[in-house]
Amino acid sequence: AQTVTQSQPEMSVQEAETVTLSCTYDTSESNYYLFWYKQPPSRQMILVIRQEAYKQQNATENRFSVNFQKAAKSFSLKISDSQLGDTAMYFCAFSGGNNDMRFGAGTRLTVKP
Amino acid sequence: EAQVTQNPRYLITVTGKKLTVTCSQNMNHEYMSWYRQDPGLGLRQIYYSMNVEVTDKGDVPEGYKVSRKEKRNFPLILESPSPNQTSLYFCASSRVPPTYNEQFFGPGTRLTVL
Repeated sequence: AQTVTQSQPEMSVQEAETVTLSCTYDTSESNYYLFWYKQPPSRQMILVIRQEAYKQQNATENRFSVNFQKAAKSFSLKISDSQLGDTAMYFCAFSGGNNDMRFGAGTRLTVKP
Repeated sequence: EAQVTQNPRYLITVTGKKLTVTCSQNMNHEYMSWYRQDPGLGLRQIYYSMNVEVTDKGDVPEGYKVSRKEKRNFPLILESPSPNQTSLYFCASSRVPPTYNEQFFGPGTRLTVL
């Protein structure tokens, strides 16, 4: 079964600096999708970025980018120029051929002024 | 406005009293899913549905039931709730296949079972 591991329960970063959140996963599938979701204090789940396993190019969305290492089964999220509004729980998620979705335990990120 | 709605948003109940949490989406999505969120465990999938009358178990289906009689609705039923089902529940929907398309989440339902 696929598993998703986020080894950093909590992280903090100074405003305007860069932070990287780690995620590793385990699967035997060759084609799948990986996601990062953000959950601010409002509890709403918001898609930050997604990556298709077949694409070698790392996905980017404005200040958010990923480092996708397929062989290492690693999918880290880099947040550049951190803003106070980035304070949230961040979940890494995996979706494969079974159409189910698996989430990691989450990383609580605090951006300090 | 495109959205996923859940009701109720908060619920406190007692062990054994049957309850239903409703979920509705207005985006004509085929795929709908229920998750529970617990501290230190992230979100875990309970059930999902690829279309009307098609449902499948996720990681933690025990103690839950679902039905998909209409495309827009996907209620979660707890026939005999127990305290270990105290959790934050999310409904989500997407176009198929869900592996590719973004899932839209509801606002969450905070359930407490005493």
